[in-house]
Amino acid sequence: NAGVMQNPRHLVRRRGQEARLRCSPMKGHSHVYWYRQLPEEGLKFMVYLQKENIIDESGMPKERFSAEFPKEGPSILRIQQVVRGDSAAYFCASSAQDQETQYFGPGTRLLVL
Amino acid sequence: GNSVTQMEGPVTLSEEAFLTINCTYTATGYPSLFWYVQYPGEGLQLLLKATKADDKGSNKGFEATYRKETTSFHLEKGSVQVSDSAVYFCALMNRWSGNTGKLIFGQGTTLQVKP
Repeated sequence: NAGVMQNPRHLVRRRGQEARLRCSPMKGHSHVYWYRQLPEEGLKFMVYLQKENIIDESGMPKERFSAEFPKEGPSILRIQQVVRGDSAAYFCASSAQDQETQYFGPGTRLLVL
Repeated sequence: GNSVTQMEGPVTLSEEAFLTINCTYTATGYPSLFWYVQYPGEGLQLLLKATKADDKGSNKGFEATYRKETTSFHLEKGSVQVSDSAVYFCALMNRWSGNTGKLIFGQGTTLQVKP
């Protein structure tokens, strides 16, 4: 039973480029959460999605960041025109239902040069 | 609002020592409480959880009791091993009606266990 999968595990971008982070939830899970971990800090909630719907985006920066979870395929977190402050580890978690236990992927570590 | 506060780290212990990592929370409603562990370069693994007051979560020798009267969920282990060295995160999920299931995390506590 595969866990939550994220790719790539490491991503290097230059300032101004786009970053696309992918998350495949656990089998049977249709709820996906994205969190960001800045260096030496805890995790901060970004966005919560169900299939084809954004349910809660209260933690998303207002500009340059977007997320989707299409009917088919993984959830995507997209960062346009990256800046050095976007360098962080981005974790995806999934659950079977809202407010149920979340299981985390290994994360994508984004480095912006 | 909702928040979680953990004790400052790093915590450095010798093998077989007793471990306590303090965690207190602020929340409206009836939160569920969690401890997650993060090993170097990896994602978070659920260690244990408790969903209501006086519940005790336990796993791999770790325990934590949901104390509503002190709004605490301290993590304990009777005898730590070198392999327990990791970062430990306390988190809450506020199940108050209308909230989504996002997790609110503490800042993390680094545990270093020396042989």
